Amino acid sequence: EVQLVQSGAEVKKPGESLKISCKGSGYSFTNYWIGWVRQMPGKGLEWMGIIYPGDSDTRYSPSFQGQVTVSADKSISTAYLQWSSLKASDTAMYYCAIYSSGRSSFDNWGQGTLVTVSS
Amino acid sequence: DIQMTQSPSSLSASVGDRVTITCRASQSISSYLNWYQQKPGKAPKLLIYAASSLQSGVPSRFSGSGSGTDFTLTISSLQPEDFATYYCQQSYSSPRTFGQGTKLEIK
Repeated sequence: EVQLVQSGAEVKKPGESLKISCKGSGYSFTNYWIGWVRQMPGKGLEWMGIIYPGDSDTRYSPSFQGQVTVSADKSISTAYLQWSSLKASDTAMYYCAIYSSGRSSFDNWGQGTLVTVSS
Repeated sequence: DIQMTQSPSSLSASVGDRVTITCRASQSISSYLNWYQQKPGKAPKLLIYAASSLQSGVPSRFSGSGSGTDFTLTISSLQPEDFATYYCQQSYSSPRTFGQGTKLEIK
């Protein structure tokens, strides 16, 4: 069974750093893009960026370029999303999802990681 | 970026109703259009890809159509489990932008 399991909820202060994770199983981790999607409280879905774990090719939405870093460790089938200095406006649910190049769609999603940034 | 605009933003309907949600792209995206369903507290779920292809396991009451800039998602006979928020997404170019969502509520 294809699965993406994300790390648990985080509560952080403004200015702190954070790295959340997304572990894939049940499929060939290096052969599928993994993307990250933000959902702010009560709002819609925003495409943040995507990585191909096979060669670490990474693409970002202009809205998130320079604000976050997407990475992957193929040895442990895990993708990451990280911030160097969090802001209150980073408070959101973050989803990872497997991108199927054949269908050009996010076929399988993680359960989400809630990040709360508050002083 | 390609802008995706859904209408309506919210919709009230009854079990058994036929419902149509519209998605418009700011430029032609051919058939690179996906539809997702999201229930409260849950991750989105893929329903339709490539504008009209039903994802495996999705009930046949869901269907999609359109190409170019105008697309529709139709639910032929609403079931209680269909009350959720629906999002379109273009996969023509990066960033793969989403529509703002359509919340489908029980009348």
